[in-house]
Amino acid sequence: EVQLVESGGGLVQPGGSLRLSCAASGFNFSDHYMDWVRQAPGKGLEWVGRIRKKDNSYTTEYAASVKGRFTISRDDSKNSLYLQMNSLKTEDTAVYYCARVVVSSGHHYFDCWGHGTLVTVSS
Amino acid sequence: DIQMTQSPSSVSASVGDRVTITCRASQGINNYLVWFQQKPGKAPKSVIYGASSLQSGVPSKFSGSGSGTDFILTISSLQPEDCATYYCQQYKSYPLTFGGGTKVEIK
Repeated sequence: EVQLVESGGGLVQPGGSLRLSCAASGFNFSDHYMDWVRQAPGKGLEWVGRIRKKDNSYTTEYAASVKGRFTISRDDSKNSLYLQMNSLKTEDTAVYYCARVVVSSGHHYFDCWGHGTLVTVSS
Repeated sequence: DIQMTQSPSSVSASVGDRVTITCRASQGINNYLVWFQQKPGKAPKSVIYGASSLQSGVPSKFSGSGSGTDFILTISSLQPEDCATYYCQQYKSYPLTFGGGTKVEIK
């Protein structure tokens, strides 16, 4: 069974840092691009960023709202995805989801999501 | 950035009704569109990808259509378990962007 389990969320002060993890199981993690998506309380979905696989040199993409503050990385040996969040702002408060990307015939879309982890940025 | 606009923002329909949700992209995205279903407190679930392809395990009462800038998600016969918020998302270009969501309720 494909599973994605996020962890590392919590309460952090503005300007602080936090590192989220996403543990993958039930599939060949190294074969997939992986993304982070967030959802502020009561709001819609916002894409955060992507990391490609080794064949694509682990290149990354970010939303403008987090570029320069957030860093996505992965450790294929541990089947794990990470989101390092620095210089956090109150508007970063959200549930953060990791999502598996399927790449097929030019299409790349999310087919599996974790349950999410809540990050609250507040003084 | 490509803006995705969904309508309506909410819809209330009776059990067995046909429900349609529209999604419009601010520029052409071919068929690089996915529809998600999200129930309260749960992670989103992919329903349709490639604008019209049914995700594995999703019942055939869900269907998608469209290409370019205008897309439709149809639920052929609404059931209580379909109550959720539905989002469209384009993956034609970065940044990936979502529509604002459509809340589907039973009347």
